[in-house]
Amino acid sequence: QKEVEQNSGPLSVPEGAIASLNCTYSDRGSQSFFWYRQYSGKSPELIMSIYSNGDKEDGRFTAQLNKASQYVSLLIRDSQPSDSATYLCAVGSYNTDKLIFGTGTRLQVFP
Amino acid sequence: DGGITQSPKYLFRKEGQNVTLSCEQNLNHDAMYWYRQDPGQGLRLIYYSQIVNDFQKGDIAEGYSVSREKKESFPLTVTSAQKNPTAFYLCASSISWRQRNTEAFFGQGTRLTVV
Repeated sequence: QKEVEQNSGPLSVPEGAIASLNCTYSDRGSQSFFWYRQYSGKSPELIMSIYSNGDKEDGRFTAQLNKASQYVSLLIRDSQPSDSATYLCAVGSYNTDKLIFGTGTRLQVFP
Repeated sequence: DGGITQSPKYLFRKEGQNVTLSCEQNLNHDAMYWYRQDPGQGLRLIYYSQIVNDFQKGDIAEGYSVSREKKESFPLTVTSAQKNPTAFYLCASSISWRQRNTEAFFGQGTRLTVV
């Protein structure tokens, strides 16, 4: 089992729709959860962080964390073509003392 | 401006040659990381360091070496033992892994090609 798993996609959504990206992790000791956006050929940029169960909203983005089920998700409302990118889930744990990334989900938003 | 600087942006290596990728940060971060990304793939951890003069192997450390003599610097050497080094290399840093708000921030990356 991979430590952090994401569906590779592509996930295709029409402009204006809600995009839902999911991530599961294996280490129950995980404490910190991040979503990064990576455009082709560029480095990842942080868009959301979440540490406690529940929802965290920032503009059009909402991160959701459920530690009991070991998953974290990212919702993008009113999706725009400029949101088309690969979204990387990253998980940190005191047990492993490092930040582990999933393989990313490619999102395509079409006009 | 605070940030992470990787150099060079593009690097070409001949067969059997060692090359060193530079990573410098002025964010006063304790932790630094090196990741490798292959086309269409996620990030794989090569080495990481939580404190000066200490570092640990990641998942794919074979063929790579690092040093952490200064808090600001974490250079990565790709040795001739790394048989397939062509990839996009990303350096990142964070405040400290044992504190909250430990988001990792990335440099712009170095694209290494074997010629």
